[in-house]
Formats: sequence, C-alpha cells, structure tokens
Amino acid sequence: LAKTTQPISMDSYEGQEVNITCSHNNIATNDYITWYQQFPSQGPRFIIQGYKTKVTNEVASLFIPADRKSSTLSLPRVSLSDTAVYYCLVGGLVWAGNMLTFGGGTRLMVKP
Amino acid sequence: DGGITQSPKYLFRKEGQNVTLSCEQNLNHDAMYWYRQDPGQGLRLIYYSQIVNDFQKGDIAEGYSVSREKKESFPLTVTSAQKNPTAFYLCASSFGTSGNSYEQYFGPGTRLTVT
Repeated sequence: LAKTTQPISMDSYEGQEVNITCSHNNIATNDYITWYQQFPSQGPRFIIQGYKTKVTNEVASLFIPADRKSSTLSLPRVSLSDTAVYYCLVGGLVWAGNMLTFGGGTRLMVKP
Repeated sequence: DGGITQSPKYLFRKEGQNVTLSCEQNLNHDAMYWYRQDPGQGLRLIYYSQIVNDFQKGDIAEGYSVSREKKESFPLTVTSAQKNPTAFYLCASSFGTSGNSYEQYFGPGTRLTVT
C-alpha cells in the first residue's frame, strides 16, 4: 500500500482558502487518490477522488501533479463547520482487495 | 433513505464478556468493512468482506470475529481475547464491480467501553 504523509494539523480563518498537501511517493500506476473528512464521533465522509490533473466538485478541488507523488486538497472559503480531520488515502479498487489505509490525517481548525 | 446503520451508539461491557456490534446497510453494496479508531488516531482495518459468506482479516483482526450470512449485515464480535477493546468502531461498505468502487460509505459508529 502506498504510504501517505500529511501535516498533523493546520489552522485557518473563516473565508480563507485552505490547501492541504499529501505526499505519496510510492503511488502505484493503478492507484487513485481519495480524501475523506471526519467530524468528532462520526464516520468519515467521502470528499473527492482523482487520478491525475485536477478534479473539482461542489465542496473541494483536488490538484495532482504529473508525477502523482503528491496531491493537494483545496477547500475554498472555509467556515467554522469545516473544522474536522481530513484523511488522504491512496489505493486501488476496494472491491479488488486493495484496502485503503487511513493514516493520522490532518486536523484542520477554522477560527472566526 | 439508503445508508448504513450501526447499533448501539454507546455500549458498555465488563471485562471478559464478548460483545457483538451490529452493522446493517441497504445500499446494495457487496463489500463491507470494520474499522477501529482510538482517540486521536486514524482508522485501522479489522475485517472486511467482499461478498456474502466470505471475509478476510485486516491489520488488527486478533480478538475479533465476524460473519457475513446476508448481504445487508456484517456483525462484529469483540471477544474477551481482545486486550484493549475500548475504542470507537466504524462499519463501512462499498460497491463491488458494478459501481464506483473507490468510495466507502461509513456508518455513525459505536463507542465501546469495557471496564
């Protein structure tokens, strides 16, 4: 499984854009990059997933450089409710037995 | 509404007792998973099942057992052999070959306290 490294914690203020970078130097050719959000005492929630270049949905963008050895989750104009732990995962198809490994995640604190 | 349910939300047991955590999904997913989360830590995989009547050990299966008799259900038993059972337990499911298989859907979790 590709190992991921991301900052333990980050602070931001309401209305700012937040970028969380994840390193995954040994990513495999068929691996996808997935980000999850987790609030205290709740299960993680899928945010976004990508393979290369840029992916955007209604809540976030995911930037992946050509070498795919890192990725950046971008949260535009964060609010207090975005305070959570964000996990970067790298892996293949779950149904094919490629388990996703959750590391420690990045604790984002959004301040007023 | 489709989703995953886990019950109960909080569970208290005495040391030496086995306890079974419930996980039910109505998403028609083939695969189901159990994770354990300790305070301030990430999730660790206990068991997973890709299809009915089949399951595999994850990274920390010792002291746990599961069954998958129905597609919708994947109960987890925490046995007395588990040395540190107090934790937050999360169940998840995902599509098999028929859909987007990179996303896991999580239940609300069960917080187990053993004293």
